[in-house]
Amino acid sequence: GESVGLHLPTLSVQEGDNSIINCAYSNSASDYFIWYKQESGKGPQFIIDIRSNMDKRQGQRVTVLLNKTVKHLSLQIAATQPGDSAVYFCAEVDTGKLIFGQGTTLQVKP
Amino acid sequence: KAGVTQTPRYLIKTRGQQVTLSCSPISGHRSVSWYQQTPGQGLQFLFEYFSETQRNKGNFPGRFSGRQFSNSRSEMNVSTLELGDSALYLCASSLVPGQGNYEQYFGPGTRLTVT
Repeated sequence: GESVGLHLPTLSVQEGDNSIINCAYSNSASDYFIWYKQESGKGPQFIIDIRSNMDKRQGQRVTVLLNKTVKHLSLQIAATQPGDSAVYFCAEVDTGKLIFGQGTTLQVKP
Repeated sequence: KAGVTQTPRYLIKTRGQQVTLSCSPISGHRSVSWYQQTPGQGLQFLFEYFSETQRNKGNFPGRFSGRQFSNSRSEMNVSTLELGDSALYLCASSLVPGQGNYEQYFGPGTRLTVT
């Protein structure tokens, strides 16, 4: 079946630097993607979404980029803060269901 | 506005037993989805309910079932528990299913341990 995957299980960045978390998806028919953040002991929290008719979408300190040609999705976090430390998941919508990737753990070094 | 609540937060059961988990969605939300989260398999979709009807189902055995009540609260049940059922079970609610907006709000989860 189709799956969504992340390139790296762990990403370590210095506080204040920008973070880039990557995700590759395999279903070329997917038209909606979401990034979630999950902190320890909590459920996933919606960060930002993007539709396939867009290449880029910006939120507060976050930007999602979508490259449909290579089926690649990325989440950029500007000026990474200690509170950004969490596991980040990308997800695609497939026939009404959310299909999640394995997750990338972002560690922010002070 | 209160968030999604799940009860209990932690549960320990023995193989062969059954378990029922409860989820109360955000007030006004009518769609509830359930997910299983394990270190090995990640987040996997179990099922989705809307207006007391199951709209969608993931690839889980029939031991996993659910239901939704008229007040949108939902329960999921796992019968004949296996060790591999140990996981964090997450509930998510949204205003309505689909409609091009999948902004689901997740609860903190129920941590189930099967011994």
